[in-house]
This record gives sequence, structure tokens and C-alpha cells, in this order.
Amino acid sequence: NAGVTQTPKFQVLKTGQSMTLQCAQDMNHEYMSWYRQDPGMGLRLIHYSVGAGITDQGEVPNGYNVSRSTTEDFPLRLLSAAPSQTSVYFCASSYSGWQGESGYYEQYFGPGTRLTVT
Amino acid sequence: AQTVTQSQPEMSVQEAETVTLSCTYDTSESDYYLFWYKQPPSRQMILVIRQEAYKQQNATENRFSVNFQKAAKSFSLKISDSQLGDAAMYFCAYRSPRRQGAQKLVFGQGTRLTINP
Repeated sequence: NAGVTQTPKFQVLKTGQSMTLQCAQDMNHEYMSWYRQDPGMGLRLIHYSVGAGITDQGEVPNGYNVSRSTTEDFPLRLLSAAPSQTSVYFCASSYSGWQGESGYYEQYFGPGTRLTVT
Repeated sequence: AQTVTQSQPEMSVQEAETVTLSCTYDTSESDYYLFWYKQPPSRQMILVIRQEAYKQQNATENRFSVNFQKAAKSFSLKISDSQLGDAAMYFCAYRSPRRQGAQKLVFGQGTRLTINP
């Protein structure tokens, strides 16, 4: 059980280049999401998915595309990288439910990708 | 939209002492979840503690406890007997209970905690 994996760990791009950040989870979670972390701003939601074939925008979606063809994978695409996209990117997966009257919830984060756009 | 505010960008404490990190949030919902995450230099996000808003009892996990004041929309984290390994960035986060799109977290700006030996 590897949890949430992300590749690559580090990446340097030139302005205008495209790339895909990979994310995979082996816990059969329906819900997956992408966040970016910038200094002084915490983590902000980029896109999320509630299941295979279903995606939606988060707080800061501009410049990013996602797709969810399988439960396991949720790649994040940068079509034309800009210096403003220099950040640390986290993928996460989660599940929630009820046990009696108590709700439970677990969210797992990947190790992050540090992206620099020059 | 919900917002989370951490007003202390940096905090420091002597080893073995107690420190409290502050968090306030804004929401119109009555039922929700609150979390504290720890991010050490390795970048890994680690769940420290969670609180369900419908529970009046404050959550505790070993040396970590929260002071949840629902009416004041305040959710502070107390770390007792601070250890060098507690040094990290700490994030407060909010989650709505609604199922559709509910599992997204709203994070505060973070507080960097330094432990002085």
C-alpha cells in the first residue's frame, strides 16, 4: 500500500512549456484533489474530482487542466507554464462516511512536487 | 465562502514548555470539521488532530489538544511539553460536511513553530 504518490519530486520549466504532474493512489478513494502551496498563503485548491470521469474547479483553476479516467490516477496538466505557477503542488485523496451517528474522514497527501518556472 | 485565518506567522517556544497556536474561521454552516496539519521540512502534510463541530468536547491526541470555541469561531492548538521534533509549519483547515464536493479543505496561511533547546 503506497498511499498517494506524486512524480516528479522536482521540476524546472521554461515559460511556455507544458508538462503533466502525475498523481496516483492505491486506496480506492473516490475523491482526489490538487493543491498548490505558496509562501504566506497556505494550500489552495486547484481542481478536484469526486470520482472517475467527474472533475470540478477549485479556488485557483486558471492555467491548469485535469482529467480522471480511472479511480487511481489524477494528473494535473500545465498547458503553457508561467512564472506565477512556481509553487509546491500537492495531490491528495480522501474518503468519508458514517459510523452510526459519527462521521469519519481521512485525507492523505502525496509528498509534493516543487515546480519552478523560469 | 469559508475562510480560515492564522494570525501568527511565526511562534517560538522553549523545549518542554507549552505553546498555543491560534486559528479563526468564518462560515455560515453549523456542521463542519476542523483540522490541524503539521508540515515538517520534509514537506509531508501530517494530520495532527481533528474536531467535529457537533462535538462539544475538545479533541486531544497525546500532547496535542484543541480549544474549540464554536460561537467565537476559534480553534486553537495547544502543544504541551514541546519537543524538538515539533518544529514545523502548522496549518489550520476547515471542511464542510456536505457530500458533493465536500471533501475539499480550506487552509489558513500557516504558523511556523520553532522549538528552542
